Amino acid sequence: QQQVKQSPQSLIVQKGGISIINCAYENTAFDYFPWYQQFPGKGPALLIAIRPDVSEKKEGRFTISFNKSAKQFSLHIMDSQPGDSATYFCAASISSGTYKYIFGTGTRLKVLA
Amino acid sequence: SAVISQKPSRDICQRGTSLTIQCQVDSQVTMMFWYRQQPGQSLTLIATANQGSEATYESGFVIDKFPISRPNLTFSTLTVSNMSPEDSSIYLCSVADSGSYNEQFFGPGTRLTVL
Repeated sequence: QQQVKQSPQSLIVQKGGISIINCAYENTAFDYFPWYQQFPGKGPALLIAIRPDVSEKKEGRFTISFNKSAKQFSLHIMDSQPGDSATYFCAASISSGTYKYIFGTGTRLKVLA
Repeated sequence: SAVISQKPSRDICQRGTSLTIQCQVDSQVTMMFWYRQQPGQSLTLIATANQGSEATYESGFVIDKFPISRPNLTFSTLTVSNMSPEDSSIYLCSVADSGSYNEQFFGPGTRLTVL
């Protein structure tokens, strides 16, 4: 019940295309859902996050779509660029106690020039 | 967001030895977390370290193997004790503060190889 399932494991997209990464969770107590971007040899960087009271959040080319009833959320990268090539992790947490994250398994994105 | 540094950035160690990893933040933060990321894998939380209290360890991680100190609001250490090759991983610290405890910011990581 604490797992966050992420798909696909890897993704190849043409420059200018849309990259879509999906995550699903079971624990309905989760109330904060961030996405992280990690380049090789670097720590993860917070990209964008959403709470269950909204269905969509957009920041620049990055959009989170959230479906509370289906317990799913996804990251959309519009106009994907080669510089977006990285590993993306979704996560979920509960806004109380330790606030600890449960991370998804990661998606390795490659954007072809 | 806070600027986080870790030392060392990488190390190669012999089996049976111990390594202490330092995490320094440029501002005072309430929560600090230590994660392990095995090559090509996701992040697994080792423990939560809050100043003034004992670290809280996740299932599968014990204090004897991964002792943690949190002497003040800007610094923490994680020791990997009696290392074996299975401990070869990237170790990351992250921080969260009262502005938003949900938002965690990560350090650059320490890449550990155990021979």
